[in-house]
Amino acid sequence: AQSVTQLDSHVSVSEGTPVLLRCNYSSSYSPSLFWYVQHPNKGLQLLLKYTSAATLVKGINGFEAEFKKSETSFHLTKPSAHMSDAAEYFCVVSARAGGYNKLIFGAGTRLAVHP
Amino acid sequence: NAGVTQTPKFQVLKTGQSMTLQCAQDMNHEYMSWYRQDPGMGLRLIHYSVGAGITDQGEVPNGYNVSRSTTEDFPLRLLSAAPSQTSVYFCASSYIRDLYNSPLHFGNGTRLTVT
Repeated sequence: AQSVTQLDSHVSVSEGTPVLLRCNYSSSYSPSLFWYVQHPNKGLQLLLKYTSAATLVKGINGFEAEFKKSETSFHLTKPSAHMSDAAEYFCVVSARAGGYNKLIFGAGTRLAVHP
Repeated sequence: NAGVTQTPKFQVLKTGQSMTLQCAQDMNHEYMSWYRQDPGMGLRLIHYSVGAGITDQGEVPNGYNVSRSTTEDFPLRLLSAAPSQTSVYFCASSYIRDLYNSPLHFGNGTRLTVT
């Protein structure tokens, strides 16, 4: 069975400092992994995805994530936080369930960015 | 290009009332789905459809009905609202080709309160 655990429910950083949002997954086969971002009162937007190609994945707005099979992790990073990065971030694993795309969402990490 | 459009944005119902949440997409996506978002639980799949005339249940289907008469529209019906259905509802769509790896496009959500 597939599952995903986001290790921090809240992360707070200062503007200009690095961001690290942690995600561990469980999957019985090679997974597809995604990070989505949700700004207040908005839907979710895809940040980046891993689909068994390069293990270091670059996304939009300067975010990137590294797939580490040995650690079953897919942590999201950004070298320098911007105020506009304040949002909720979801780590997602895509599971095959019959013929449909079943996405299993983590509980989310709320990122706060302080001046 | 409007993407995925959900209406209404906000709704308050009394226990036992019925209503329909509307979802429309203009990207010619075959796959459409409904999720509910509750604090600390990420998103959970309610129902999904892989094309006009084809629907199936997700993780939490009880209390909800769907239909898919056209490619563009995928309404979600609450037949007899209960306080446990207070949540934020998201409609999402994607292409069905390579469904396992395809990112979802989300609407901006409907915030439903049942009193």
